[in-house]
Amino acid sequence: EVQLVESGGDSVQPGRSLRLACAASGFTFQYYALHWVRHVPGKGLEWVSSIGWNNTYIGYADSVKGRFTISRDDAKNSVYLEMKSLRVEDTALYYCVKDDSSGYGALHYWGQGTQVTVSS
Amino acid sequence: QSVLTQPPSASGTPGQRVIISCSGSSSTIGNNYVYWYQHLPGTAPKLLIKRDNQRPSGVPDRFSGSKSGTSASLAISGLRSEDEAGYYCVSWDDSLRGYVFGSGTEVTVV
Repeated sequence: EVQLVESGGDSVQPGRSLRLACAASGFTFQYYALHWVRHVPGKGLEWVSSIGWNNTYIGYADSVKGRFTISRDDAKNSVYLEMKSLRVEDTALYYCVKDDSSGYGALHYWGQGTQVTVSS
Repeated sequence: QSVLTQPPSASGTPGQRVIISCSGSSSTIGNNYVYWYQHLPGTAPKLLIKRDNQRPSGVPDRFSGSKSGTSASLAISGLRSEDEAGYYCVSWDDSLRGYVFGSGTEVTVV
């Protein structure tokens, strides 16, 4: 059974940093792309970032480009999202998502999310 | 403003068929696959349709997807009370080089 468990969400002030982590199990981690998608209640879902197998296909939404960095550790079956210079508008529930392929395919399995709140 | 346009709401009675539309452009739906998700409050989104019209294992055949040109649709047949949820279309955007989501459609079973 595929499992994705996010952690690292917190309540921080604008301008601060956070590092989200996603621990995966139930599949051969190294062969699949992983993504981060966020949800703001009342505003819908927004793709944040993706990383393909072997660190290929790295991409970011324009809203986070230059501030967020995605990475993966295949030895630990984990994917990370380093978030810097956080803004109020980054407040959301952040989901870790497993692709059904090695690159940009279907956002197939979703974790339960970790909450990030940015407020002064 | 979302790159993919969906109606904000749709409704039907139990057993009816409901169709949700998703309008994009040549750089999104017109040149890439469409995916559909069901999102219930407090739960993780669930993939209903992949690659325009394919159902992942475990998704009932009451859900079906189609695409024509720069638009796509999700049909829910035999509507049930448990289908009350938000539904999102997703596609790749060649211009933005990323996934784009529709604004979501809330389905109500009246």
